[in-house]
Amino acid sequence: NAGVTQTPKFRILKIGQSMTLQCAQDMNHNYMYWYRQDPGMGLKLIYYSVGAGITDKGEVPNGYNVSRSTTEDFPLRLELAAPSQTSVYFCATEAHQVAKNIQYFGAGTRLSVL
Amino acid sequence: DQQVKQNSPSLSVQEGRISILNCDYTNSMFDYFLWYKKYPAEGPTFLISISSIKDKNEDGRFTVFLNKSAKHLSLHIVPSQPGDSAVYFCAASAINSGAGSYQLTFGKGTKLSVIP
Repeated sequence: NAGVTQTPKFRILKIGQSMTLQCAQDMNHNYMYWYRQDPGMGLKLIYYSVGAGITDKGEVPNGYNVSRSTTEDFPLRLELAAPSQTSVYFCATEAHQVAKNIQYFGAGTRLSVL
Repeated sequence: DQQVKQNSPSLSVQEGRISILNCDYTNSMFDYFLWYKKYPAEGPTFLISISSIKDKNEDGRFTVFLNKSAKHLSLHIVPSQPGDSAVYFCAASAINSGAGSYQLTFGKGTKLSVIP
């Protein structure tokens, strides 16, 4: 049981390049999230999905796109990478129960844009 | 505007003593609170949570206290162990927000060091 798997673990991009951060879960959770964490800061929500085919913007969506074609996968796409997107990216899932919401995180992808 | 604040970036505690990590929030709509623990190069791991209908929740060595009138919560770790050394994040959500998803708002974290 792998839980939440993020790939790659590390990546260096040049300004203007694009890439897709992968997130896969085997927990059969319907809700999935993408966060970024900048140094010394808390996690900020980029995008989230409440189920296959449904996505919505979080607090900091600019420069990113997502899709959710299956329950298991929730890739995050960076188009035209910028130095401001240098960060650690975390994917999370949630079983979405009434009156509580506990999210489970992957190990993260550390991205540098140079 | 920071809705969840952890004003202590770091805390050092002797092994065996109590660790107290604090968190303040400003959004009165928040009604569910969580603590996450994070080791370097790993993702955050859920530790303990509390609903706004309670003022205390205990799980082994970890206890979370909620003071709604003061918009303050704290995490107590007793006794502290060297393996507890990590960054602790406070998070909050507004379950009844009607947004269709229980988005979490995180504090900046407190780095706890437990000294053997």
